[in-house]
Amino acid sequence: KNQVEQSPQSLIILEGKNCTLQCNYTVSPFSNLRWYKQDTGRGPVSLTIMTFSENTKSNGRYTATLDADTKQSSLHITASQLSDSASYICVVNLRINSGYALNFGKGTSLLVTP
Amino acid sequence: DAGITQSPRYKITETGRQVTLMCHQTWSHSYMFWYRQDLGHGLRLIYYSAAADITDKGEVPDGYVVSRSKTENFPLTLESATRSQTSVYFCASNSGGWDTQYFGPGTRLTVL
Repeated sequence: KNQVEQSPQSLIILEGKNCTLQCNYTVSPFSNLRWYKQDTGRGPVSLTIMTFSENTKSNGRYTATLDADTKQSSLHITASQLSDSASYICVVNLRINSGYALNFGKGTSLLVTP
Repeated sequence: DAGITQSPRYKITETGRQVTLMCHQTWSHSYMFWYRQDLGHGLRLIYYSAAADITDKGEVPDGYVVSRSKTENFPLTLESATRSQTSVYFCASNSGGWDTQYFGPGTRLTVL
């Protein structure tokens, strides 16, 4: 069972609108959480990273929030642009005995239309 | 992105054939990773390497072989390809620990 759940699975919004993507995780002990953006036909690119002590992190029009108590994170995109059309992947870094392990969500596919 | 490359970008092969996917990074990163990405599964770790001559299994290693004789290269071999190995394969690298993983552009493999 995937321990990182993302919602919605897909989303269509109009250019200029805002949107929020959700990530719920059950893995522990939690180390950090990242959001990646993956354009079609490309590899994922890191957008933000947050440790358990951080509540919010911004990268331009992208703002990620983290609630470590409820194990929820969100990625808010402001004033969307056509270039925001991509898959957004939530990745939770889990501490394990031999180091760490990444747990990937299945992603939210975002389409921004004119 | 220019620091990590994969080849070929597209490959079609037949069941039972051996296929090698190449990954090369220019950052001298210690860690390198191989993932496969399938619809409905997200990214899944196949193998990773912490340094030259050190490799370890990930979540889905069966049917794959890796080697790392040089820090900059991390080839992935499918010794006898099966249709279930049709997927998009991503190579990634980082300095280790919590550092950001940098992904290559991917190889789309089709096994007929």
